[in-house]
Amino acid sequence: KQEVTQIPAALSVPEGENLVLNCSFTDSAIYNLQWFRQDPGKGLTSLLLIQSSQREQTSGRLNASLDKSSGRSTLYIAASQPGDSATYLCAAYNQAGTALIFGKGTTLSVSS
Amino acid sequence: GAGVSQTPSNKVTEKGKYVELRCDPISGHTALYWYRQSLGQGPEFLIYFQGTGAADDSGLPNDRFFAVRPEGSVSTLKIQRTERGDSAVYLCASSLNGHIDEKLFFGSGTQLSVL
Repeated sequence: KQEVTQIPAALSVPEGENLVLNCSFTDSAIYNLQWFRQDPGKGLTSLLLIQSSQREQTSGRLNASLDKSSGRSTLYIAASQPGDSATYLCAAYNQAGTALIFGKGTTLSVSS
Repeated sequence: GAGVSQTPSNKVTEKGKYVELRCDPISGHTALYWYRQSLGQGPEFLIYFQGTGAADDSGLPNDRFFAVRPEGSVSTLKIQRTERGDSAVYLCASSLNGHIDEKLFFGSGTQLSVL
């Protein structure tokens, strides 16, 4: 059964800093690994999807990597901005490919 | 519509009452998902519809929870005999065909409070 863990639970950084969020998963036979952003009182917004055959995926200041053998993914945010403040969630599908299993998220606060 | 719409945005009810939560997916999306999110937790899968049928309902916690999607578009999540532990944000998501590499689009959720 797939389990997803995220550390740290919370992170506070000054504006302009580069940072890394960590995600680990127990079943390396994943279809893909997805990163989402959630703002308070809002739903989730898809950020990046890394297919199982890929090592990384980039979108703007965001870069997500995937290491299936170690069961880990990282989300790298470059030159952080106050607008990046949100909760970041990673997720992997269950074996049947019908349900995303989410971590608890990392809540990021970027101060100006 | 432009995005996934969920109504109501907030629902307060008393223990033991019946509630219905509605989800309007993006037009043309055949796949629809319900998740539940408690404070400080990630979303927890409840049920997945492909068209009108429930392709995976393994996440429904017990028989008090039921969901329908009779015409393959709008879905309703129904909770009978609500309990205080049912209090959470109920999120709906849709995708075009339910393929695993498709992007999921989430609604803003319904905050359910059971007093």
